[in-house]
Amino acid sequence: GAVVSQHPSWVICKSGTSVKIECRSLDFQATTMFWYRQFPKQSLMLMATSNEGSKATYEQGVEKDKFLINHASLTLSTLTVTSAHPEDSSFYICSVRTGGSNQPQHFGDGTRLSIL
Amino acid sequence: AQTVTQSQPEMSVQEAETVTLSCTYDTSESDYYLFWYKQPPSRQMILVIRQEAYKQQNATENRFSVNFQKAAKSFSLKISDSQLGDAAMYFCAYYPQGAQKLVFGQGTRLTINP
Repeated sequence: GAVVSQHPSWVICKSGTSVKIECRSLDFQATTMFWYRQFPKQSLMLMATSNEGSKATYEQGVEKDKFLINHASLTLSTLTVTSAHPEDSSFYICSVRTGGSNQPQHFGDGTRLSIL
Repeated sequence: AQTVTQSQPEMSVQEAETVTLSCTYDTSESDYYLFWYKQPPSRQMILVIRQEAYKQQNATENRFSVNFQKAAKSFSLKISDSQLGDAAMYFCAYYPQGAQKLVFGQGTRLTINP
């Protein structure tokens, strides 16, 4: 069964609105979750590492104020795209590592974000 | 910097045939993990196979196997008896021991011809 649940799967909204994407770890506690962005026909680009109970660690070039991450519990991390614009349209994927460093990451089904 | 290179942007194979996807990586670490992920048109990332660098034996999962050459820093994926459902983007990924981040290659789009 699914290890990670991501919601919504697709969202369309007007420019200037904020959009929240949820990533839930099912059946286990995840102190660390990861948020990726994927442009068409390209690889996954790590945006940030979400740490439960503390601030997220952002990759170079990712705007912290644009992409707000909250990891308030061991099973939920949220990514909020604030004041979204058409250039923020993309595919966003979260992932969870289920154990030690030898364990693979399990990915959510992704969220297709379209800003009009 | 650690990098992963997939030199084949696209590959195609006839159904039931065998295809090999290449992956090379650059690292100074001795302990690490390597993965192949599959991303079908649904865009869900699915783990195909993984390899621990300290293991000499190549990993296999049913029709999927790897050729891990540690000295050459090469990690190719072989798909035997290709099926239509194997059509997808395939990403090679590197994961250092004790690290947090996966490093992905650029991906290879695999087409299966019926």
